[in-house]
Amino acid sequence: AQSVTQPDIHITVSEGASLELRCNYSYGATPYLFWYVQSPGQGLQLLLKYFSGDTLVQGIKGFEAEFKRSQSSFNLRKPSVHWSDAAEYFCAVVVFGNEKLTFGTGTRLTIIP
Amino acid sequence: EPEVTQTPSHQVTQMGQEVILRCVPISNHLYFYWYRQILGQKVEFLVSFYNNEISEKSEIFDDQFSVERPDGSNFTLKIRSTKLEDSAMYFCASSMDSTNQPQHFGDGTRLSIL
Repeated sequence: AQSVTQPDIHITVSEGASLELRCNYSYGATPYLFWYVQSPGQGLQLLLKYFSGDTLVQGIKGFEAEFKRSQSSFNLRKPSVHWSDAAEYFCAVVVFGNEKLTFGTGTRLTIIP
Repeated sequence: EPEVTQTPSHQVTQMGQEVILRCVPISNHLYFYWYRQILGQKVEFLVSFYNNEISEKSEIFDDQFSVERPDGSNFTLKIRSTKLEDSAMYFCASSMDSTNQPQHFGDGTRLSIL
């Protein structure tokens, strides 16, 4: 069965600094990969997705992620964070022929002035 | 932009009672899902629904749970004989396709069992 690991439970970043959130997946074939963001009291908003093709994908709010097959990773990046980026970020995977999203445990992002 | 809507936003229920959580998926979507997030834990898949029947369910989704699409717009999750451990945030999601299109989530219903 597929699984997703987000090794960082909590990350603190200064406003304006760059950000990288880590995600590793476990699955034999290439999965479909997603990043979702959850602001306090809110639902899950899709930031970006990878299905195939270009391994660097652009998302909303200035986020991007890079799929690296050799490392089984799909890390999320942003060159300069804003205070409004403070939220919980979830990496998720779905595999072809299976309908359920499998989520990582999430990374809570705190932004300091 | 169309969105998934869920009602109520917060439901408080006595243990042993039945609850129905409601969702209105995006209108042209064909696949519907329920997920659960217990406080402090990760989001877990409960069930997927397509063509008026369950297409996949997790081990969590036992006989206590049921889903229904009573009309052309609503998608409901019923929990019978609620237990304390059913307290969680329940998310509804929908998608155009089972795999090739992303799932879009509602804001969730926070279920509190007393």
